[in-house]
Amino acid sequence: AQSVTQPDIHITVSEGASLELRCNYSYGATPYLFWYVQSPGQGLQLLLKYFSGDTLVQGIKGFEAEFKRSQSSFNLRKPSVHWSDAAEYFCAVGPSSNTGKLIFGQGTTLQVKP
Amino acid sequence: ETGVTQTPRHLVMGMTNKKSLKCEQHLGHNAMYWYKQSAKKPLELMFVYSLEERVENNSVPSRFSPECPNSSHLFLHLHTLQPEDSALYLCASSQAAGVHTDTQYFGPGTRLTVL
Repeated sequence: AQSVTQPDIHITVSEGASLELRCNYSYGATPYLFWYVQSPGQGLQLLLKYFSGDTLVQGIKGFEAEFKRSQSSFNLRKPSVHWSDAAEYFCAVGPSSNTGKLIFGQGTTLQVKP
Repeated sequence: ETGVTQTPRHLVMGMTNKKSLKCEQHLGHNAMYWYKQSAKKPLELMFVYSLEERVENNSVPSRFSPECPNSSHLFLHLHTLQPEDSALYLCASSQAAGVHTDTQYFGPGTRLTVL
């Protein structure tokens, strides 16, 4: 069955520190992978996506993610976290149907300490 | 307005009420989606519409009834809900439903509380 696991429910980092959010997936074919961010009271915003090609993907707001097929992972990274990065982050994999259905992980809440 | 908007942002209703959630997209997209976001659970896709035709119903109870009168508007009609239906309901749109490389753009959601 297709699934996405985000092992860390909650992460706290200091402002200026580096960040890595983990995402593991189970998918039968070549996956399309996404990272979304949700700020309080807001909808989800796409940070980056991977379809093919270079396994290191650059996104908005200084985020990047690396696709590692051998580890079934798509971890999100940022070299220096800003207080405004505090939010909930969702990894997703698709498609799981011909309508473009995405499977989302449970999310990781990021708290940033001053 | 730009992007995807949803109204109301907050809704409290009793189990015998009937209410509707509204979503509007200003992006010229052809596909629209309803998702349910419950605490501590992954986002659950409820419905997908493509060119005003429902193309996916993800085993959603009949007390949730979607309507897509045109490609810019999507409604979710609610009746005789249960307390466990309390959640954040998110609307999204994309250029097309069958193109999995398309980005889905999300609205801010409606926070629903069922008493």
